[in-house]
Amino acid sequence: EPEVTQTPSHQVTQMGQEVILRCVPISNHLYFYWYRQILGQKVEFLVSFYNNEISEKSEIFDDQFSVERPDGSNFTLKIRSTKLEDSAMYFCASSERQGSWPQHFGDGTRLSIL
Amino acid sequence: AQSVTQPDIHITVSEGASLELRCNYSYGATPYLFWYVQSPGQGLQLLLKYFSGDTLVQGIKGFEAEFKRSQSSFNLRKPSVHWSDAAEYFCAVVGGSSNTGKLIFGQGTTLQVKP
Repeated sequence: EPEVTQTPSHQVTQMGQEVILRCVPISNHLYFYWYRQILGQKVEFLVSFYNNEISEKSEIFDDQFSVERPDGSNFTLKIRSTKLEDSAMYFCASSERQGSWPQHFGDGTRLSIL
Repeated sequence: AQSVTQPDIHITVSEGASLELRCNYSYGATPYLFWYVQSPGQGLQLLLKYFSGDTLVQGIKGFEAEFKRSQSSFNLRKPSVHWSDAAEYFCAVVGGSSNTGKLIFGQGTTLQVKP
């Protein structure tokens, strides 16, 4: 069964540094998402992306965050200047088409900010 | 605004016992509801979903859930729990503009299974 792949599985970064989290969605999927889960808390929506633009973003997704689909296969989340509170598990998800569920999730990238 | 509440943060059951995980939602229209399971170090796997129709839905791994509009609930059940069911379980609803498919999750319930 096709999978959403995320790399790296664990990223350790100094506070203030830029970090890029990578995702390869399922190949025929058109909608892409990032969620995050701070340790011990709920999974929270960050952003959805369709047709090379953001379709919805949450309050968490401020100017420090950006998303990109640079080459038609990868879907990246960039945090420009990381803060301690960015430490979390970040999940990528994709779905086949508008209004299509379920979303298929990757295994996540654990981001640790020191 | 849409929201999901899972009242039980942690549940422990004995292997072979029945299980019910509670989920309450707040949503103005007919909700699309989901249960996901997360094993340690793994991503989120869909157990089952409800869109419309029969209010009792069957999922993978022997799980089922019942949609009760009058109670705004979508509780997950399993008649006989296996040790491999120990994991974190998340209830979710599609929120906001349904065109974007944004999922709103509950806090999660951690299931521990005693031998």
